[in-house]
Amino acid sequence: GNSVTQMEGPVTLSEEAFLTINCTYTATGYPSLFWYVQYPGEGLQLLLKATKADDKGSNKGFEATYRKETTSFHLEKGSVQVSDSAVYFCAPGSARQLTFGSGTQLTVLP
Amino acid sequence: GAVVSQHPSRVICKSGTSVKIECRSLDFQATTMFWYRQFPKQSLMLMATSNEGSKATYEQGVEKDKFLINHASLTLSTLTVTSAHPEDSSFYICSASRPMESVVEQYFGPGTRLTVT
Repeated sequence: GNSVTQMEGPVTLSEEAFLTINCTYTATGYPSLFWYVQYPGEGLQLLLKATKADDKGSNKGFEATYRKETTSFHLEKGSVQVSDSAVYFCAPGSARQLTFGSGTQLTVLP
Repeated sequence: GAVVSQHPSRVICKSGTSVKIECRSLDFQATTMFWYRQFPKQSLMLMATSNEGSKATYEQGVEKDKFLINHASLTLSTLTVTSAHPEDSSFYICSASRPMESVVEQYFGPGTRLTVT
């Protein structure tokens, strides 16, 4: 089955700082890769995705590149905002399932 | 498009009672729906996968008699927690996938907070 290793949090940054959240995975076959974001008390929202090697997913200033050789899908943002404070989940999807990482709590301070 | 709703958003029930949670795809017909459980500050754990008109497939360790899933139509799936106990208190999240898309491309509901007293 699939597994995900995600950078443990919590991560605390100042506004406008650079963000990296590491994610590596093992998966059956050739997975699609997703990052989801969860705001307090809410469900998950898709942040970005990539479906094949070297694809770059991007949304709201966040980016992640599908690296097949290192089985990684690290999330980056050049300048975080207070509104980015949330929990971020990396999730490979294959064999008809999503497998979620442990989640990384991000807090951005003004 | 691709909006999924859940009802109720919060529910408090007494130990021994049953609670039903609804998951609806509002603007698409869902080929497959999923139910997840999330404990505080933890990740999502898949409980079961359901397809319209057929029995749900439960993950290992999930009691199918306790967590009854009905997927009666292409836009509605329900999760009934039977004879609830305090340890069933959790955040339950459903998701749905659309026809013509990979089943791993899922759209998530806002979740239901269940508290059993």
